[in-house]
Amino acid sequence: GDSVTQMEGPVTLSEEAFLTINCTYTATGYPSLFWYVQYPGEGLQLLLKATKADDKGSNKGFEATYRKETTSFHLEKGSVQVSDSAVYFCALSDHRAGGTSYGKLTFGQGTILTVHP
Amino acid sequence: DVKVTQSSRYLVKRTGEKVFLECVQDMDHENMFWYRQDPGLGLRLIYFSYDVKMKEKGDIPEGYSVSREKKERFSLILESASTNQTSMYLCASSPRGGTRAFFGQGTRLTVV
Repeated sequence: GDSVTQMEGPVTLSEEAFLTINCTYTATGYPSLFWYVQYPGEGLQLLLKATKADDKGSNKGFEATYRKETTSFHLEKGSVQVSDSAVYFCALSDHRAGGTSYGKLTFGQGTILTVHP
Repeated sequence: DVKVTQSSRYLVKRTGEKVFLECVQDMDHENMFWYRQDPGLGLRLIYFSYDVKMKEKGDIPEGYSVSREKKERFSLILESASTNQTSMYLCASSPRGGTRAFFGQGTRLTVV
């Protein structure tokens, strides 16, 4: 079945540092890939997504590229801020081109990011 | 603004109680989901529904049931709550064939 593996955390950085959170997946076909973010006390928000190989998703300075050859979708940001402190989840969807999709998501275990001033 | 609303942010229940978690969405979405979030395990799918009165088991359905009598409402039921069901529960919805899910704010359930 589908699975997602994220780098283990927690990750602690100073403000303006470079961020990478690794994510790899196992799935049949070409799933859609997502990064969700959960700020303290809140539900999950979609951060960015990519629906096909070599697509780059981007939002709020974060980027991730869908790499089919390495089955990866690593999250990067060039300069983090204190306000980026949150839990980040990599996920894939049951959506497949030409197939039936219920929008079910398979999540990684989450990475806690703390950014210090 | 799209909205998925869960009826409670925090709940404390006793072992053996029957517990209802309610979720309402205002986006006319066909698909609705219940996930459970635990540290180090990410989110795991309990049940989902792709239409009114339709339901499918997810990865960890044991000890849970669901009800979807109206399109906008999806209820999670713990038939007899146990301490190992202490967790954060997240409801989500998505349109038919859509790739994006919208989440509620979560219900933190403690079973004592």
